[in-house]
Amino acid sequence: NAGVTQTPKFQVLKTGQSMTLQCAQDMNHEYMSWYRQDPGMGLRLIHYSVGAGITDQGEVPNGYNVSRSTTEDFPLRLLSAAPSQTSVYFCASSRRDRLEKLFFGSGTQLSVL
Amino acid sequence: KQEVTQIPAALSVPEGENLVLNCSFTDSAIYNLQWFRQDPGKGLTSLLLIQSSQREQTSGRLNASLDKSSGRSTLYIAASQPGDSATYLCAVSPRPQAGTALIFGKGTTLSVSS
Repeated sequence: NAGVTQTPKFQVLKTGQSMTLQCAQDMNHEYMSWYRQDPGMGLRLIHYSVGAGITDQGEVPNGYNVSRSTTEDFPLRLLSAAPSQTSVYFCASSRRDRLEKLFFGSGTQLSVL
Repeated sequence: KQEVTQIPAALSVPEGENLVLNCSFTDSAIYNLQWFRQDPGKGLTSLLLIQSSQREQTSGRLNASLDKSSGRSTLYIAASQPGDSATYLCAVSPRPQAGTALIFGKGTTLSVSS
């Protein structure tokens, strides 16, 4: 049971480049979300999804796109990377049918030069 | 707007000491509250989840309490060990339909010395 898998673990981009951070879970969880963690700022919600085909914006959605075509996958797209998007990105998931703890991936360290 | 605050930001204790970490939130209309642990360079691990109707939850040496009306939660760690050294974060869920859309505090970094 792999849990929540994030790829890549590390990535360096140049300003203006685009890329997709991958998140996959094998627990059949309906709920998924993306957070970024910055020193002194804590974790901030970027986008979240309560099921396939349903997504919504969080606190800091600008510059990011998401889609949820399957229950298992929730990719995060950076359209035109900016230095302000340098951060550690975490994906999380949980079940919907009962109160359950969140499961987090191990994170993606992204640097934008 | 819901805000979650954790005090202190850092705490150092000798091994064996009992300790309390504090979490406060500004809007008492929460669905649940979770305490997480984060080791350096790692993801978060959920330790305890308290529903809004509950007063406390226990797991081993950990006990989390919730006073929704006053907007406070505490995480009590008994007989601390060096392996407890980590950052502890609390997070609230504002409503059942929020799913994994939690609001996090900035965490308390705990260091337990042997």
